[in-house]
Amino acid sequence: QVVLTQPPSASASLGASVKLTCTLSSGHSDYAIAWHQRQPEKGPRYLMKLTFDGSHTKGDGIPDRFSGSSSGTERYLTISSLLSEDEADYYCQTWGTGIQDVVFGGGTKLTVL
Amino acid sequence: EVQLVESGGGSVQPGRSLRLSCVASGFSFDEYAMHWVRQAPGKGLEWVSGISWSSENIGYADSVKGRFTISRDNAKNSLYLQMNSLRAEDTARYYCAASSGPFHYWGQGTLVTASS
Repeated sequence: QVVLTQPPSASASLGASVKLTCTLSSGHSDYAIAWHQRQPEKGPRYLMKLTFDGSHTKGDGIPDRFSGSSSGTERYLTISSLLSEDEADYYCQTWGTGIQDVVFGGGTKLTVL
Repeated sequence: EVQLVESGGGSVQPGRSLRLSCVASGFSFDEYAMHWVRQAPGKGLEWVSGISWSSENIGYADSVKGRFTISRDNAKNSLYLQMNSLRAEDTARYYCAASSGPFHYWGQGTLVTASS
């Protein structure tokens, strides 16, 4: 089964940009993923679907500051012009053909300095 | 506006049961697979169970198989999770989510605590 690996933490300054990484296990470079944001005391929010070639489809109301890209088994989420409200946990998620084929990465806690 | 509203959480002793509910609005509920995902204190998101739009396909994480049962009622735009034989390690916030691959819509969650 596919495994998604994320670094546990990241940090960047207010107004700067940050690039978060989600790594697919070997042999799964064609998988699409989704990025989700979980702000403190809130439920997760769908940010975007990101395919192997870097094309991405964002959820309703997601600002242009959020973008995605891909390279091999790496899937990236870039957040530009960081705001304090971007301080959150970010999870990647993938899926297969079966209802039980759902995988989450371990999440990255983003701190905005 | 899309909404998923969970209810039914609470504090129970290990070995007891709880039934979670999730009511959906603002989207075509019967066109989406539905899932339960939980987050234990200090941990990441963990998929618990999923059900296809028609209820034909159902799946469970190994950690809950045989103890939890997922179901849905499309006429009521509702998703359920019957949780039996609860264990301390089931303590978590439980979220319902709608998916067509990616999890498009999420609820705010309901807290389940299994403790003596």
